[in-house]
Amino acid sequence: AQSVTQLDSHVSVSEGTPVLLRCNYSSSYSPSLFWYVQHPNKGLQLLLKYTSAATLVKGINGFEAEFKKSETSFHLTKPSAHMSDAAEYFCVVSVLKNNDMRFGAGTRLTVKP
Amino acid sequence: GAGVSQSPSNKVTEKGKDVELRCDPISGHTALYWYRQSLGQGLEFLIYFQGNSAPDKSGLPSDRFSAERTGGSVSTLTIQRTQQEDSAVYLCASSRTGLQEETQYFGPGTRLLVL
Repeated sequence: AQSVTQLDSHVSVSEGTPVLLRCNYSSSYSPSLFWYVQHPNKGLQLLLKYTSAATLVKGINGFEAEFKKSETSFHLTKPSAHMSDAAEYFCVVSVLKNNDMRFGAGTRLTVKP
Repeated sequence: GAGVSQSPSNKVTEKGKDVELRCDPISGHTALYWYRQSLGQGLEFLIYFQGNSAPDKSGLPSDRFSAERTGGSVSTLTIQRTQQEDSAVYLCASSRTGLQEETQYFGPGTRLLVL
């Protein structure tokens, strides 16, 4: 079985400062990992994904994430937060063998002016 | 192009009534997923359809929940004898072939409130 733990339910940063949203996963098989963003009253949008190619993955809106197998982590980062980044972020692990896709509980990012 | 659409966008029902939620996936996508997002919870997988294969129903929380996918396209999620704990946002997603590494495209969701 696989699971995802998002270590922070809420992260607050000031505009222009770095963002770090933490995600640890557990999987019996080689996983694919995703970060999705959900803005208020909007659907989920893919930010980026890791699929066993490069361990450093670049996504939309300046976000990136690094797959670290030794730490079973897939933390999401951005060098400089923008007000429009305020949203809920979900880390997701997918394992085909089980046709299973597990979502973390989400991290709410607040960006202060 | 058109994304995943869901209807209704909001549904208020009384406890004990049945409800049907509809999902129109992206045209040509063979894989379709239903998820539930309850207040304060993460997303919970419910059911997965892949082409003509038998669906993976392992995430359905009880036998009051069922889903169909007719003609490999539109899907309907049915909740019978609704309970207050069924109140949530129900999200549908589709992907091109259902491969592990593929992006899932999500609809806007149906917000269900059971009174």
